[in-house]
Amino acid sequence: GEQVEQRPPHLSVREGDSAVITCTYTDPNSYYFFWYKQEPGASLQLLMKVFSSTEINEGQGFTVLLNKKDKRLSLNLTAAHPGDSAAYFCAVRRIASSSFSKLVFGQGTSLSVVP
Amino acid sequence: GGIITQTPKFLIGQEGQKLTLKCQQNFNHDTMYWYRQDSGKGLRLIYYSITENDLQKGDLSEGYDASREKKSSFSLTVTSAQKNEMAVFLCASRTGAYAEQFFGPGTRLTVL
Repeated sequence: GEQVEQRPPHLSVREGDSAVITCTYTDPNSYYFFWYKQEPGASLQLLMKVFSSTEINEGQGFTVLLNKKDKRLSLNLTAAHPGDSAAYFCAVRRIASSSFSKLVFGQGTSLSVVP
Repeated sequence: GGIITQTPKFLIGQEGQKLTLKCQQNFNHDTMYWYRQDSGKGLRLIYYSITENDLQKGDLSEGYDASREKKSSFSLTVTSAQKNEMAVFLCASRTGAYAEQFFGPGTRLTVL
């Protein structure tokens, strides 16, 4: 089945620097990609939902890149600030003919942004 | 908007004890999930339910039971708590086949 590898497990950057988190996946039929943010003690909040038809997606202060050829998804925080300190998870789901297909999560990245 | 509520927030039990975690959602979502979150391991699917009274096993169902008696609620039972299953348990729900999942705040399980 689908496997998702997320790197790095821990990342520390200075305020204003960029931070890049990468996920690689194995299933070429993967079609839906998600990035979630989990602040300490809180639950997962959706950061961005990406479909395989779009390779670059921009949010507020971050960019998500999808490289379908290399089966790689990345989250780039362009100018990190302390409020970005959290755990980040990618998740991947394949195209499904039925109404259910499992969401496969990466292992998570703990990001620390120091002032 | 809607919300997912999980109770209790913290659950402490003895080894071998049967423990129940509860989840309620007011999104009117069809599909609900239970995940286990271990540090450094991401989320692993325990059980899911596509509709009321439906139950499907995930990757980590051994040692757990689930119940979906109403569309809005999904319960998870740890049948015999073990120290190695101390983790945070997250409930989630979604509507539609292509929608994202919404997560509850989690229940942290401690086994003494």
